[in-house]
Amino acid sequence: AQKVTQAQTEISVVEKEDVTLDCVYETRDTTYYLFWYKQPPSGELVFLIRRNSFDEQNEISGRYSWNFQKSTSSFNFTITASQVVDSAVYFCALSDQAGTALIFGKGTTLSVSS
Amino acid sequence: NAGVTQTPKFRVLKTGQSMTLLCAQDMNHEYMYWYRQDPGMGLRLIHYSVGEGTTAKGEVPDGYNVSRLKKQNFLLGLESAAPSQTSVYFCASLLFAGTANTEAFFGQGTRLTVV
Repeated sequence: AQKVTQAQTEISVVEKEDVTLDCVYETRDTTYYLFWYKQPPSGELVFLIRRNSFDEQNEISGRYSWNFQKSTSSFNFTITASQVVDSAVYFCALSDQAGTALIFGKGTTLSVSS
Repeated sequence: NAGVTQTPKFRVLKTGQSMTLLCAQDMNHEYMYWYRQDPGMGLRLIHYSVGEGTTAKGEVPDGYNVSRLKKQNFLLGLESAAPSQTSVYFCASLLFAGTANTEAFFGQGTRLTVV
């Protein structure tokens, strides 16, 4: 069975601090997909990134970066120089190759204060 | 988010009433999903569909039924609503997990309260 664990329930930082959100996953599949989504206070779910299991290259997009390590089954998300607008709930998700089950972690609530 | 529309956006039901939530997508996606979101629980998969005419159970299917008679629509039904089904419901769709740049597109959510 697939499982996604986001051990950090809540994180509070001050603006301009760097913050890393952890995601650990479990799957028996050799091909799978990992996602991060952001849910701002307005409630919608915003796609951030998708990574397949064969691509372990780290990804950087502006202030966002992702570290995928198959050896530790982790797909961590780092926000550099955090801003108040980054305050949201962040979800990590896992899908098998066929997309038949897209499973989410419980989310990490990030609060960035000025 | 583009292409996934949920109806209604808000609803209050009395215990024992029935209702159907509609999810419609115009992106010709094969896969569709229904989730519920509760405080501290993240998004939990209720049912999903890998194509027209097919449905399958997710993590928390009890008390819900679904149908996918048309590719673009995925209906979630509550036959006899219970207060435990008070939640925010999200629908999602995606083309196929193996397709490059595929993401799951989400609807805006339906806030359901059962009193």
